[in-house]
Amino acid sequence: NAGVTQTPKFQVLKTGQSMTLQCAQDMNHEYMSWYRQDPGMGLRLIHYSVGAGITDQGEVPNGYNVSRSTTEDFPLRLLSAAPSQTSVYFCASSPRLAGYNEQFFGPGTRLTVL
Amino acid sequence: EDKVVQSPLSLVVHEGDTVTLNCSYEVTNFRSLLWYKQEKKAPTFLFMLTSSGIEKKSGRLSSILDKKELFSILNITATQTGDSAVYLCAVVTSGTYKYIFGTGTRLKVLA
Repeated sequence: NAGVTQTPKFQVLKTGQSMTLQCAQDMNHEYMSWYRQDPGMGLRLIHYSVGAGITDQGEVPNGYNVSRSTTEDFPLRLLSAAPSQTSVYFCASSPRLAGYNEQFFGPGTRLTVL
Repeated sequence: EDKVVQSPLSLVVHEGDTVTLNCSYEVTNFRSLLWYKQEKKAPTFLFMLTSSGIEKKSGRLSSILDKKELFSILNITATQTGDSAVYLCAVVTSGTYKYIFGTGTRLKVLA
C-alpha cells in the first residue's frame, strides 16, 4: 500500500492563479480531510468528506473547493490564490468515521503564493 | 466554540529528563482524543484515548485521559534527542466528523 499520497510536494503560484492539490489513498478509507498548517499553529481543517459524493466545510473553507467522486481521490482546488493561502497542506484519511480511528496523513504540499 | 489548548507551547530539556505535556479541551459531545508526533514532515499517530483513567503506553511514552476535568497528559520518560518534535493533541466530537487540533507543544531534547 502506498498509503496517502499528495502531489505536488512544492508549488509556487502567483496571486490570482488557480490550481488543484491532489490527494489519493489506496486503503479504501471512507473519511478524508484537508488541513493547512501555518508556522506556530496546529492543523486547521479546510474541508472533509465522509464518503464518495459527500463533502462538508471545516474551520477555514473560504477560497477552497473540494469534490469526492471516488473513494480514493480527494482533490483540493484553490480558486484564485492569495498570499494568505501560503501554507503547508496535509491530506489525511481514516478507515471510518472520525474519532473512531487514527487518521493517516500524506507527506504534505508546501505552497507559496507570491 | 470547541477548543483544544496545549501547554506548554515549547519546552527544552536534557536527555534523560522526564516531560509531561498537557492538553485541555472544551468541546460538546466528546468522542475521543488523539496524540500525534510531528517532526519535519507529516504527523504520526501515537495514541487514541476514549475512556478516563486508562493509561495507554508505548515504550517510554504514555498517556492518560481525564474526562471529568477535561484534559489529557502525554508523558515521555528518559527523553532522547529523537523525541525532539512538535506534539499535537486533537479531539473529535460525536455527531461531527471534525478533528480539532491544538497548536502543539514543541519539545527540544538536548544531548
